[in-house]
Amino acid sequence: DSGVTQTPKHLITATGQRVTLRCSPRSGDLSVYWYQQSLDQGLQFLIQYYNGEERAKGNILERFSAQQFPDLHSELNLSSLELGDSALYFCASSGHGTSGRIQQFFGPGTRLTVL
Amino acid sequence: QQQVKQSPQSLIVQKGGISIINCAYENTAFDYFPWYQQFPGKGPALLIAIRPDVSEKKEGRFTISFNKSAKQFSLHIMDSQPGDSATYFCAASPGNEKLTFGTGTRLTIIP
Repeated sequence: DSGVTQTPKHLITATGQRVTLRCSPRSGDLSVYWYQQSLDQGLQFLIQYYNGEERAKGNILERFSAQQFPDLHSELNLSSLELGDSALYFCASSGHGTSGRIQQFFGPGTRLTVL
Repeated sequence: QQQVKQSPQSLIVQKGGISIINCAYENTAFDYFPWYQQFPGKGPALLIAIRPDVSEKKEGRFTISFNKSAKQFSLHIMDSQPGDSATYFCAASPGNEKLTFGTGTRLTIIP
């Protein structure tokens, strides 16, 4: 167990709809990252937040947005959903591992299915 | 543009053998190279990582070899066990920030 929690575990919705994925980072971790894992694109970085502020952006579509709240949990909002948005969405937080070095800890993911 | 190329896509190794997965990168700004292990239905978990100031790092049965001039790095799993059967991803990032992942290698260890 990485200490990063994500809800819901599974989400099934229809095209054109909007969904919100939630992530709680490990206690004390200020950075949250969102990644998308699909069969054709692999694991891709979407966006990073640090202590409430957007820090870096990757291959995130304009239909997608994210935010990090004062309690450090983060939400990823996906709108106008298309079939191709079906994927596993992972949240990660970064902090010190057992080795003392900074590393990213991944949550269990949310599986999104768009029908 | 695929900035981290990983091979092979799948690998079958006999129990007790050595599993070798290779990655190559293009972006010279990358200075952190982790390997992640992912089991079905789970998130990726950090296995081992290396920075370019060393050419090799070993943790238990897992070793990363790093060739800065060739911009290549590889994961070696010694004495491979059935429990090592998983998908392995190499990754790279500038300063342990946003990770760029390879395409993954599905490793199967057979008895």
